[in-house]
Parts: sequence; C-alpha cells; structure tokens
Amino acid sequence: DPKIIQKPKYLVAVTGSEKILICEQYLGHNAMYWYRQSAKKPLEFMFSYSYQKLMDNQTASSRFQPQSSKKNHLDLQITALKPDDSATYFCASSQAQNTEVFFGKGTRLTVV
Amino acid sequence: QQKVQQSPESLSVPEGGMASFNCTSSDRNFQYFWWYRQHSGEGPKALMSIFSDGDKKEGRFTAHLNKASLHVSLHIRDSQPSDSALYFCAAANTGANTGKLTFGHGTILRVHP
Repeated sequence: DPKIIQKPKYLVAVTGSEKILICEQYLGHNAMYWYRQSAKKPLEFMFSYSYQKLMDNQTASSRFQPQSSKKNHLDLQITALKPDDSATYFCASSQAQNTEVFFGKGTRLTVV
Repeated sequence: QQKVQQSPESLSVPEGGMASFNCTSSDRNFQYFWWYRQHSGEGPKALMSIFSDGDKKEGRFTAHLNKASLHVSLHIRDSQPSDSALYFCAAANTGANTGKLTFGHGTILRVHP
C-alpha cells in the first residue's frame, strides 16, 4: 500500500489556470515537503512544513502556495499556470532530523 | 553552479557486474549524504545514507564518504536487471530542516543480461 498518496497522477492544465495537487501521508510523520522534477533541472526542494507550519520556502514565485489542513495533509495550489511549470511534483515526508525522506509517486503536470 | 555534481550521466553494466557512481559537493555545509534510486514512473526511494567518513556497506551496496574532499560514491556489486533505474546523490546540511535535500542530476543505470 502506498503510504504517501498523491492525486491526481496526471494533470493537464491550460496556461493561466489554477490547480491544486493533493498529498496525504500515512507514515505518521511530522514533516512534509514538496519537490519538483523537470527535464531541465534536478529534483528541486520547494517547501517544508513541520507540525503544519511552514519551515522553509525555496520557491521564488508566490504562485505556489502549500496548504496544510491536517497534520498529514500538504496540498499545493498553483495559480496563473505557465508552460514552464510543467513538471512532476513530488510530495515527501520524514519523521525527524537526518532520517529518510519518503517520496510519493508524484503528480505529472503538463501546462498547455 | 550546481551544488551537487554527479558522474557519469549514464552507465551500462552487464548483469553480475559492478556499477559505480560518483558525487561531489561544492558546499561545505553539506554534512549528510543519501543515495536515492528512482524507477520509471515512481518516486525516489532511499537506498542508504552516509554521514561519517569511510565506507558503509548494506548488502550489495557500498557507499564511501570523504568529507575533506566532499566526495561520496556508491558501488553496487552483482548488479541485477532490476537495478536499472535513475540514481541520485542527495545532500543535506546541518540543522533542523534536514528534509531539505539538494539532489544531483542523477545517473541512469542500465544493467543488461
């Protein structure tokens, strides 16, 4: 059973639209993250949350907004979508310092 | 400049052979290193971590870290076709936010029968 559930698996969006990527983790972890993987760049850290509080934001654009309604949820809202936003977005989680970061299977976003 | 550099970009080894990956960091704040593997259509999965100088062995996998040169390597002995995947080196610095990993571009491994 997948312990980090991401929905949807695939997403096609029109330029300028808004989408929400869903993530739930059932590992009992206190920290959750978003990463992005595109063809042009290596896997990139975007955000980290600990106990539902934003700890780090490495995303230059305010168009990317994480939303944590529950301890084990961390959704990612993306507004005013651009073709350059096309990538696979991975949700991840970990329990404590220097422990393994577990990744979900990703949401592949294509902006046309 | 990419803070974590990996080599080679791709690698092809025969089944039963040895696969070796290299990673160098340009940031001395990076103290913790991980190797991740990603199969097609999946998320990355951690293979092993290495935090201290020297070798660390887990089954067929051996990692080596030299903190002075910020060089870390991974060796897979007796490679299997199921080992064919994308391999990443990832680094984290000291501090509380260690879920913030900096990844290299990755090495594509193909193990052929």
